[in-house]
Amino acid sequence: GAVVSQHPSRVICKSGTSVKIECRSLDFQATTMFWYRQFPKQSLMLMATSNEGSKATYEQGVEKDKFLINHASLTLSTLTVTSAHPEDSSFYICSARDRQGSDEQYFGPGTRLTVT
Amino acid sequence: AQSVAQPEDQVNVAEGNPLTVKCTYSVSGNPYLFWYVQYPNRGLQFLLKYITGDNLVKGSYGFEAEFNKSQTSFHLKKPSALVSDSALYFCAVRDIRGGNTPLVFGKGTRLSVIA
Repeated sequence: GAVVSQHPSRVICKSGTSVKIECRSLDFQATTMFWYRQFPKQSLMLMATSNEGSKATYEQGVEKDKFLINHASLTLSTLTVTSAHPEDSSFYICSARDRQGSDEQYFGPGTRLTVT
Repeated sequence: AQSVAQPEDQVNVAEGNPLTVKCTYSVSGNPYLFWYVQYPNRGLQFLLKYITGDNLVKGSYGFEAEFNKSQTSFHLKKPSALVSDSALYFCAVRDIRGGNTPLVFGKGTRLSVIA
């Protein structure tokens, strides 16, 4: 089956620093990747939709200058949290849809970000 | 706009008893419907999906779900619960006409199976 990886799985950083999270589709080409954020005991909230080679589409209320998304290839999307603050601490999950426009999204294992 | 409602935050069931986790949805067109399970500090694991065809969908780990168009529901069921089924369950929907639209998730239901 389709596999999506995320790196790192867990990261701790200091306030004011930036953190990059990678999302890779390992055995398929993903024209579209999605970034979700999950607060403790809450649902997944879509942050942005990322299409290969074009700018990401951000959901309302998500700061595009704070959460930089790059989808440079068909197998890699990155999310950079810039000038991180403690309130950015969360579980970030990426998801990918394959090139053939399959109805299914494949999810990465998530990245736990803690900002101190 | 698409939306999903999971009316129960928590479902408790005794091991060996049948379980139901409820989900209702709203889409403009025909829906793609999914159930995912999440264990602590882990990503989502796919359980099953409904695209078209038979209204009763069978998935992983003995779970099944029934699509009911008139009630716009897609409840998750299992005939006999296991303690290891204890986890957070998410229902999700996508409009079949939506092109590259993402899945929209319900708020999740925590299932606790008691031995």
